[in-house]
Amino acid sequence: EVQLVESGGGLIQPGGSLRLSCAASGLTVSSNYMSWIRQAPGKGLEWVSVVYIGGQTHHADSVKGRFTVSRDSSINTVYLQMQSLGVEDTAVYYCASGAVGAGENWGQGTLVIVAS
Amino acid sequence: DIQMTQSPPSLSASVGDRITITCRPSQGVMKYLGWYQQKPGEVPKLLIYAVSTLQSGVPSRFSGSSSGTDYTLTISSLQPEDVATYYCQKYDTAPFTFGPGTKVDIK
Repeated sequence: EVQLVESGGGLIQPGGSLRLSCAASGLTVSSNYMSWIRQAPGKGLEWVSVVYIGGQTHHADSVKGRFTVSRDSSINTVYLQMQSLGVEDTAVYYCASGAVGAGENWGQGTLVIVAS
Repeated sequence: DIQMTQSPPSLSASVGDRITITCRPSQGVMKYLGWYQQKPGEVPKLLIYAVSTLQSGVPSRFSGSSSGTDYTLTISSLQPEDVATYYCQKYDTAPFTFGPGTKVDIK
Protein backbone atom coordinates (compact mmCIF):
# COMPACT_ATOMS: atom_id res chain seq x y z
CA GLU A 1 0.00 0.00 0.00
CA VAL A 2 1.32 3.43 -0.96
CA GLN A 3 1.60 5.98 1.82
CA LEU A 4 2.77 9.56 1.63
CA VAL A 5 3.19 11.34 4.95
CA GLU A 6 3.85 15.08 4.98
CA SER A 7 5.34 16.90 7.93
CA GLY A 8 6.98 20.19 8.77
CA GLY A 9 4.06 22.56 8.54
CA GLY A 10 3.21 25.10 11.19
CA LEU A 11 2.91 28.78 12.00
CA ILE A 12 5.68 30.93 10.61
CA GLN A 13 6.19 34.68 10.46
CA PRO A 14 6.28 36.51 7.12
CA GLY A 15 9.75 36.36 5.63
CA GLY A 16 10.54 33.10 7.39
CA SER A 17 11.60 29.71 6.08
CA LEU A 18 10.21 26.24 6.46
CA ARG A 19 11.08 22.80 5.15
CA LEU A 20 8.33 20.33 4.40
CA SER A 21 8.99 16.60 4.18
CA CYS A 22 7.10 13.86 2.40
CA ALA A 23 8.05 10.38 3.55
CA ALA A 24 7.01 7.69 1.10
CA SER A 25 6.36 4.01 1.59
CA GLY A 26 5.08 1.45 -0.87
CA LEU A 27 6.73 3.27 -3.76
CA THR A 28 10.17 4.54 -4.70
CA VAL A 29 10.35 8.33 -4.97
CA SER A 30 13.09 8.16 -7.61
CA SER A 31 10.82 6.05 -9.85
CA ASN A 32 7.89 8.45 -9.69
CA TYR A 33 7.02 12.03 -10.46
CA MET A 34 6.81 13.62 -7.00
CA SER A 35 4.79 16.82 -6.81
CA TRP A 36 3.82 19.39 -4.22
CA ILE A 37 0.37 20.91 -4.53
CA ARG A 38 -1.17 23.45 -2.21
CA GLN A 39 -4.65 24.61 -1.36
CA ALA A 40 -5.28 27.92 0.35
CA PRO A 41 -8.26 28.01 2.73
CA GLY A 42 -11.48 27.83 0.73
CA LYS A 43 -9.63 27.93 -2.59
CA GLY A 44 -8.78 25.53 -5.39
CA LEU A 45 -5.74 23.37 -6.00
CA GLU A 46 -2.51 25.06 -7.01
CA TRP A 47 0.36 23.03 -8.41
CA VAL A 48 3.64 24.12 -6.81
CA SER A 49 6.61 21.94 -7.74
CA VAL A 50 7.70 18.62 -9.23
CA VAL A 51 10.80 16.47 -9.22
CA TYR A 52 10.91 14.22 -12.26
CA ILE A 53 12.13 10.65 -12.30
CA GLY A 54 15.39 11.85 -13.86
CA GLY A 55 15.87 14.39 -11.07
CA GLN A 56 14.90 17.58 -12.94
CA THR A 57 12.80 20.00 -10.98
CA HIS A 58 10.23 22.62 -11.92
CA HIS A 59 8.39 25.20 -9.86
CA ALA A 60 5.34 27.37 -10.39
CA ASP A 61 6.08 31.00 -11.22
CA SER A 62 4.45 32.02 -7.92
CA VAL A 63 7.17 30.26 -5.93
CA LYS A 64 10.13 30.27 -8.32
CA GLY A 65 13.26 31.53 -6.62
CA ARG A 66 11.74 31.03 -3.16
CA PHE A 67 10.86 27.30 -3.04
CA THR A 68 13.10 24.36 -3.87
CA VAL A 69 11.96 20.77 -4.27
CA SER A 70 14.42 17.94 -3.73
CA ARG A 71 14.49 14.26 -2.92
CA ASP A 72 16.65 11.92 -0.86
CA SER A 73 16.38 8.50 -2.43
CA SER A 74 18.31 6.88 0.42
CA ILE A 75 15.42 7.57 2.80
CA ASN A 76 12.68 7.71 0.16
CA THR A 77 11.70 11.26 1.08
CA VAL A 78 10.87 14.40 -0.87
CA TYR A 79 11.35 17.89 0.51
CA LEU A 80 10.02 21.36 -0.19
CA GLN A 81 12.31 24.08 1.12
CA MET A 82 10.35 27.31 1.38
CA GLN A 83 11.94 30.74 1.92
CA SER A 84 10.73 34.33 2.04
CA LEU A 85 7.27 33.14 2.98
CA GLY A 86 4.37 35.52 2.61
CA VAL A 87 0.78 35.41 3.79
CA GLU A 88 -0.18 34.27 0.29
CA ASP A 89 1.70 31.02 0.95
CA THR A 90 -0.74 30.03 3.69
CA ALA A 91 -2.23 26.72 2.58
CA VAL A 92 -2.44 23.00 3.08
CA TYR A 93 0.52 21.51 1.24
CA TYR A 94 0.02 18.09 -0.30
CA CYS A 95 2.62 15.69 -1.60
CA ALA A 96 1.53 13.57 -4.56
CA SER A 97 3.12 10.81 -6.61
CA GLY A 98 2.52 9.34 -10.02
CA ALA A 99 4.09 7.25 -12.75
CA VAL A 100 3.49 10.25 -14.98
CA GLY A 101 2.64 13.75 -13.87
CA ALA A 102 -0.84 12.95 -12.61
CA GLY A 103 -1.27 12.57 -8.86
CA GLU A 104 -2.18 8.94 -8.36
CA ASN A 105 -1.43 9.00 -4.65
CA TRP A 106 -1.74 11.90 -2.23
CA GLY A 107 -0.73 12.47 1.34
CA GLN A 108 -3.03 13.92 3.96
CA GLY A 109 -1.37 17.33 3.73
CA THR A 110 0.42 19.62 6.14
CA LEU A 111 -0.87 23.09 7.03
CA VAL A 112 1.38 26.10 6.68
CA ILE A 113 0.18 29.35 8.20
CA VAL A 114 2.16 32.49 7.51
CA ALA A 115 1.14 35.20 9.93
CA SER A 116 2.62 37.65 12.38
CA ASP B 1 2.19 28.90 -19.72
CA ILE B 2 -1.01 27.03 -20.57
CA GLN B 3 -4.11 28.26 -18.76
CA MET B 4 -6.91 25.91 -17.77
CA THR B 5 -10.54 26.92 -17.72
CA GLN B 6 -13.49 24.88 -16.48
CA SER B 7 -17.20 25.24 -16.97
CA PRO B 8 -19.52 25.56 -15.28
CA PRO B 9 -18.03 26.87 -12.01
CA SER B 10 -20.82 25.10 -10.19
CA LEU B 11 -23.85 23.00 -10.91
CA SER B 12 -26.78 21.55 -9.06
CA ALA B 13 -28.46 18.42 -10.38
CA SER B 14 -30.82 15.69 -9.25
CA VAL B 15 -29.86 12.17 -8.27
CA GLY B 16 -29.73 10.08 -11.42
CA ASP B 17 -29.01 13.00 -13.76
CA ARG B 18 -26.25 12.90 -16.32
CA ILE B 19 -23.83 15.78 -15.84
CA THR B 20 -20.86 17.02 -17.80
CA ILE B 21 -18.00 19.27 -16.83
CA THR B 22 -15.78 20.83 -19.46
CA CYS B 23 -12.11 21.71 -19.25
CA ARG B 24 -10.39 23.79 -21.90
CA PRO B 25 -6.62 24.27 -21.95
CA SER B 26 -5.41 27.40 -23.73
CA GLN B 27 -3.07 25.21 -25.80
CA GLY B 28 -2.92 21.53 -26.68
CA VAL B 29 -2.00 19.07 -23.95
CA MET B 30 -2.45 15.93 -26.03
CA LYS B 31 -3.44 12.98 -23.83
CA TYR B 32 -1.97 14.44 -20.64
CA LEU B 33 -5.17 15.48 -18.92
CA GLY B 34 -6.54 14.17 -15.67
CA TRP B 35 -9.61 14.70 -13.50
CA TYR B 36 -9.75 14.80 -9.70
CA GLN B 37 -12.57 14.67 -7.19
CA GLN B 38 -12.30 16.45 -3.86
CA LYS B 39 -15.10 15.83 -1.41
CA PRO B 40 -15.58 18.38 1.39
CA GLY B 41 -12.85 18.04 3.99
CA GLU B 42 -11.05 15.30 2.08
CA VAL B 43 -7.87 14.86 0.07
CA PRO B 44 -8.21 15.08 -3.72
CA LYS B 45 -8.53 11.77 -5.52
CA LEU B 46 -7.53 10.97 -9.09
CA LEU B 47 -10.54 9.77 -11.07
CA ILE B 48 -9.34 9.75 -14.66
CA TYR B 49 -5.95 10.07 -16.33
CA ALA B 50 -4.81 10.18 -19.94
CA VAL B 51 -8.12 11.84 -20.88
CA SER B 52 -10.29 8.74 -20.54
CA THR B 53 -8.59 6.03 -18.45
CA LEU B 54 -10.44 5.29 -15.23
CA GLN B 55 -8.25 5.02 -12.16
CA SER B 56 -8.57 1.70 -10.36
CA GLY B 57 -11.60 1.54 -8.08
CA VAL B 58 -13.44 4.47 -9.61
CA PRO B 59 -17.09 3.72 -10.43
CA SER B 60 -17.90 3.23 -14.08
CA ARG B 61 -20.46 6.05 -14.02
CA PHE B 62 -17.46 8.38 -14.36
CA SER B 63 -15.98 8.83 -17.82
CA GLY B 64 -13.68 11.20 -19.65
CA SER B 65 -13.43 12.22 -23.25
CA SER B 66 -12.11 14.89 -25.55
CA SER B 67 -13.38 16.70 -28.60
CA GLY B 68 -11.24 19.25 -30.32
CA THR B 69 -9.75 21.47 -27.63
CA ASP B 70 -12.33 20.51 -24.99
CA TYR B 71 -12.01 17.77 -22.41
CA THR B 72 -15.10 16.47 -20.65
CA LEU B 73 -15.83 14.65 -17.43
CA THR B 74 -19.20 12.93 -17.42
CA ILE B 75 -21.09 11.39 -14.53
CA SER B 76 -23.74 9.22 -16.16
CA SER B 77 -26.01 8.96 -13.13
CA LEU B 78 -25.28 11.41 -10.32
CA GLN B 79 -25.21 9.89 -6.85
CA PRO B 80 -25.34 11.62 -3.46
CA GLU B 81 -21.74 10.56 -2.77
CA ASP B 82 -20.61 12.47 -5.88
CA VAL B 83 -21.09 15.82 -4.14
CA ALA B 84 -17.62 17.30 -4.52
CA THR B 85 -15.47 19.77 -6.39
CA TYR B 86 -13.95 18.43 -9.59
CA TYR B 87 -10.65 19.65 -11.01
CA CYS B 88 -8.91 19.01 -14.30
CA GLN B 89 -5.12 19.07 -14.52
CA LYS B 90 -2.66 19.12 -17.41
CA TYR B 91 0.55 17.16 -16.93
CA ASP B 92 2.22 17.21 -20.33
CA THR B 93 4.98 19.60 -19.28
CA ALA B 94 5.48 21.68 -16.14
CA PRO B 95 3.72 23.67 -14.82
CA PHE B 96 1.12 20.96 -14.17
CA THR B 97 -1.68 23.48 -13.88
CA PHE B 98 -5.08 22.71 -12.38
CA GLY B 99 -8.37 24.13 -13.56
CA PRO B 100 -10.30 26.36 -11.14
CA GLY B 101 -12.73 23.60 -10.20
CA THR B 102 -16.42 22.80 -10.64
CA LYS B 103 -18.54 22.40 -7.52
CA VAL B 104 -21.26 19.78 -7.86
CA ASP B 105 -24.15 19.39 -5.47
CA ILE B 106 -27.52 17.72 -5.33
CA LYS B 107 -30.67 19.65 -6.12
